[in-house]
Amino acid sequence: QSALTQPASVSGSPGQSITISCTGTSSDIGGYNYVSWYQQHPGKAPKLVIYEVSNRPSGVSNRFSGSKSGNTASLTISGVQTEDEADYYCSSYRSSSTLVRSSSSSTLVFGAGTKVTVL
Amino acid sequence: EVQLVESGGGLVQPGGSLRLSCAASGFTFSKYSFNWVRQTPGKGLEWLSYFGWSGTTIYYADSVKGRFTTSRDIARDSLYLQMSGLRDEDTAVYYCTRDSSRGYAMDVWGQGTTVTVSS
Repeated sequence: QSALTQPASVSGSPGQSITISCTGTSSDIGGYNYVSWYQQHPGKAPKLVIYEVSNRPSGVSNRFSGSKSGNTASLTISGVQTEDEADYYCSSYRSSSTLVRSSSSSTLVFGAGTKVTVL
Repeated sequence: EVQLVESGGGLVQPGGSLRLSCAASGFTFSKYSFNWVRQTPGKGLEWLSYFGWSGTTIYYADSVKGRFTTSRDIARDSLYLQMSGLRDEDTAVYYCTRDSSRGYAMDVWGQGTTVTVSS
């Protein structure tokens, strides 16, 4: 199963906005609004920052926002801060069948990750 | 406190078997779905398995299908990953995650347990 496509790295200065893209296919991102984004600091477990394309869990800064167009999802960090420096992963539900949640064809897939550097 | 704690990792020879455990606390275990996700050293995240709350919906990634089996013990509030036919490429940190019931997003992650496959 191929991973979703993310840029290897994105950088920005404090206060700038940065956007991370995540490209899939019509079998995953383009077919369902089941896109999530995770933040991972070194040596830590990942943390959910966006679910169902554009929703923020309680406690996550409103500097984080998500969107989707066609087969590409995006995570935007507005006014990036030094503590936002981390790896970011997108994830999506993927089905190779027209039957959603068919056990034989349903999977979840991650992107390869994007390292965000705050200059 | 909502928490997942993995255990059972260690060093195993190629072709060997290992069972990972994930103990849940702070929430009603039986009402949630769960995933196993792994991360190889310095690499990205790889989804392995989804275990639905009803116990009847289980998905596996192609890379582990037929070798890994996910199960749970509701009485012990625990999730398990039985791994067999282990290969060098299975060396990774293994995470147990809780499904948020929102678009397959994973809202709680354990701290991870390390599996090393080597002779």
